[in-house]
Amino acid sequence: GEDVEQSLFLSVREGDSSVINCTYTDSSSTYLYWYKQEPGAGLQLLTYIFSNMDMKQDQRLTVLLNKKDKHLSLRIADTQTGDSAIYFCAETVGGGYNKLIFGAGTRLAVHP
Amino acid sequence: DGGITQSPKYLFRKEGQNVTLSCEQNLNHDAMYWYRQDPGQGLRLIYYSQIVNDFQKGDIAEGYSVSREKKESFPLTVTSAQKNPTAFYLCASSEAPPGNTIYFGEGSWLTVV
Repeated sequence: GEDVEQSLFLSVREGDSSVINCTYTDSSSTYLYWYKQEPGAGLQLLTYIFSNMDMKQDQRLTVLLNKKDKHLSLRIADTQTGDSAIYFCAETVGGGYNKLIFGAGTRLAVHP
Repeated sequence: DGGITQSPKYLFRKEGQNVTLSCEQNLNHDAMYWYRQDPGQGLRLIYYSQIVNDFQKGDIAEGYSVSREKKESFPLTVTSAQKNPTAFYLCASSEAPPGNTIYFGEGSWLTVV
């Protein structure tokens, strides 16, 4: 079946790197996404990676994709207090529309 | 500014009432979606629409209804048949699928009183 798993909580010190991990089950996923949600707000698209890529870098964000293990990670370099939020991993699954399956989200807490 | 506007931000519903959440987008996107978010959980798809005057049920459509009379609008009605409606509701849109990125509105909080 379709499932996306994430660890629920991550705590890092300001200035360190954060790595948020995700595993998914649908090997036919074409796109994998990372969204950020701040308290009481909608989801903000951070980045995405196409399934034929291994890595994508965008400023402080690095996405790594291991298709063999169905493992996706998001690395945030030089983590700041403004990065504190919930991060959702999502995969697209088959069908005639753009259906996203979301993980439960990882709450990132950044402390001084 | 281009984007997705949801209203109201906060809504209270009495037992047995129907309420409607508004979602408007000016991105000229063909597809629109409604998701429900419960605390500590991911998002679950309620309904989606790929084109005007057409929509399909998602994973948790029971107790909800939608309409898509205009490209830019996709209102969601939470009916009295929805037994546990208290949640955060997110509207989203995308260009015609497949593979196009979904963008989200700021969400609406619905509480049953």
